[in-house]
Order: sequence, then C-alpha cells, then structure tokens
Amino acid sequence: SQQGEEDPQALSIQEGENATMNCSYKTSINNLQWYRQNSGRGLVHLILIRSNEREKHSGRLRVTLDTSKKSSSLLITASRAADTASYFCATGIQGAQKLVFGQGTRLTINP
Amino acid sequence: ETGVTQSPTHLIKTRGQQVTLRCSSQSGHNTVSWYQQALGQGPQFIFQYYREEENGRGNFPPRFSGLQFPNYSSELNVNALELDDSALYLCASSLVWTEAFFGQGTRLTVV
Repeated sequence: SQQGEEDPQALSIQEGENATMNCSYKTSINNLQWYRQNSGRGLVHLILIRSNEREKHSGRLRVTLDTSKKSSSLLITASRAADTASYFCATGIQGAQKLVFGQGTRLTINP
Repeated sequence: ETGVTQSPTHLIKTRGQQVTLRCSSQSGHNTVSWYQQALGQGPQFIFQYYREEENGRGNFPPRFSGLQFPNYSSELNVNALELDDSALYLCASSLVWTEAFFGQGTRLTVV
C-alpha cells in the first residue's frame, strides 16, 4: 500500500499561474522528497525536506512540511509549459530503508 | 543528468522467462534501491542494497532478487516472469538518508 496521497490527482492551469500540490502521509518520517516525472520516464529529484524543517525553497519551488498534520505542499510559482509533468511526494520512513511514494499529481500547464 | 544509468531502456520478454536489469549508481553513492512503477501508479519499493548487502525489502516475492557489486553498481533479476511484471523499473542511488537520484528506468513488457 502507498503511504502518501497527493491531492489533487490532476491539475490544469494557465501558464504564469501558480500550482500547488499537497501530500499527506500516515507514519513518522525521516524526510520527504518531491520528484517530477515526464512521460513515464525517470524521476527527477526536486527537493528534500527533513522532518525537523518546515519550509524550503529552490528556485520557483517552495515546499512546506507540517509533521503535526502529516502533510506537505509543493508550490510552483510562475508556471511554464515545461513544468507539465507528474509530481510525486516520497516519504523516507523512520526505521525503514525505503521511500514510499504517493500516486502523484498530473500537472498540465496550458499556454 | 543524475549520473545514474540503467540498461537496457526497453525490453520485451515472454512469460516464464528470466530477466536481468542493470544500474550504475552515481559516483560516491553506496546505496542502491530498486522500484517498480506500474502504469499510472507511483513507484513501489522492491529492495535496497547498502555496501553489497540487502538492506530492506518491499512486498515482492523471492523471484525478485538483486546484487550490488564492489563498485556499487547493481542488478535486478526477475525469474519466472508474469504478465503483471510489466512495468517501468527504476533504480535510485543515494547515501543513506539523503536525496535519492533515479535513472531513466527500464521499460519491461512481458507477453
């Protein structure tokens, strides 16, 4: 079973708008990582946030983590057509040597 | 480019056959993990190798096995292939509890 659940499952916005994706999980984590995947190919690492961090930025990306609510969000600002992809959150579970992925959010940026 | 390379990129096998997939990890990374991603789903953890030893296993049957070599490259072997084994197989390399970087994957089709 998958621990993470992304919300929404699909998101379609206009170029230039901001896109927000959410991830919820069930058990205690060591870290949470966000990935992008284009057309069923490899996963591109976007950002890692540790359980003792609340917010991280990388370029147009902003990730927040709320361990009390067991949730995270990924914000992409000023979206571009090239941001069209599937986005996954993956949790590094305490005491386990693996990443647990959600089902992903399919993001479409319309020109 | 992550520095993680997988081969082959595509493979077609017949039910009952055996397959070996290969992964070269990023320089300096001592941990390799394998994931299976069915169409439209998030990746599922198969197992992880750390310094040539299995270091965690997901809910996959014993016909899924692996190896890690002294140079930290890795193989995933699947025996007695079933139709449901058709998927994208992803390899990720990392140091323990750091960012995991994925290769482009091997698309396996079982007919």
